[in-house]
Amino acid sequence: GESVGLHLPTLSVQEGDNSIINCAYSNSASDYFIWYKQESGKGPQFIIDIRSNMDKRQGQRVTVLLNKTVKHLSLQIAATQPGDSAVYFCAENTNSGAGSYQLTFGKGTKLSVIP
Amino acid sequence: EAQVTQNPRYLITVTGKKLTVTCSQNMNHEYMSWYRQDPGLGLRQIYYSMNVEVTDKGDVPEGYKVSRKEKRNFPLILESPSPNQTSLYFCASSRGSQGPQHFGDGTRLSIL
Repeated sequence: GESVGLHLPTLSVQEGDNSIINCAYSNSASDYFIWYKQESGKGPQFIIDIRSNMDKRQGQRVTVLLNKTVKHLSLQIAATQPGDSAVYFCAENTNSGAGSYQLTFGKGTKLSVIP
Repeated sequence: EAQVTQNPRYLITVTGKKLTVTCSQNMNHEYMSWYRQDPGLGLRQIYYSMNVEVTDKGDVPEGYKVSRKEKRNFPLILESPSPNQTSLYFCASSRGSQGPQHFGDGTRLSIL
């Protein structure tokens, strides 16, 4: 089956710098994508989402970019803070038939912020 | 407070002893789902439910059962647990199947 993947398993960033986390997906039929943040000992926490009819979506300090041509998704975090240290997952919503959708997660990228 | 609650948070048990992990959400969400998280494999979906009395297999359903008799509850049942089911389990819910899912804080199961 098709899967969602990540380019980098770990990323270290200086506090105050911008972070960019990348994700490649292979299911061209996916039309909804989500970024999650998971801190140690906790469940994944929703950050931002984007539908396939959009190229860019901004939230508070975060921006998601979607490039459907190359099937690439990225999460940009502005002015990275120590509290941003976590594992970040991208996920795609896949139509599993009969109106059902499944969420398929990438393996995750660990972001470490250096004070 | 809107939340997804899982119980227990930690459990150590032995092979073959039936166990149930409960999941409850207070957001009136229709869609609920169970995942397991293993190192190097990320989150994989076990089962999901679009609504009451409607459940479907995810990517790794073998060895698990679920039920959805009420909208708020979605228990995960291991009829005869085996060591390969040792993992971190997450329950999640969302308003619909195409919306951001809210996750519980996880249940760490160890099957000896």
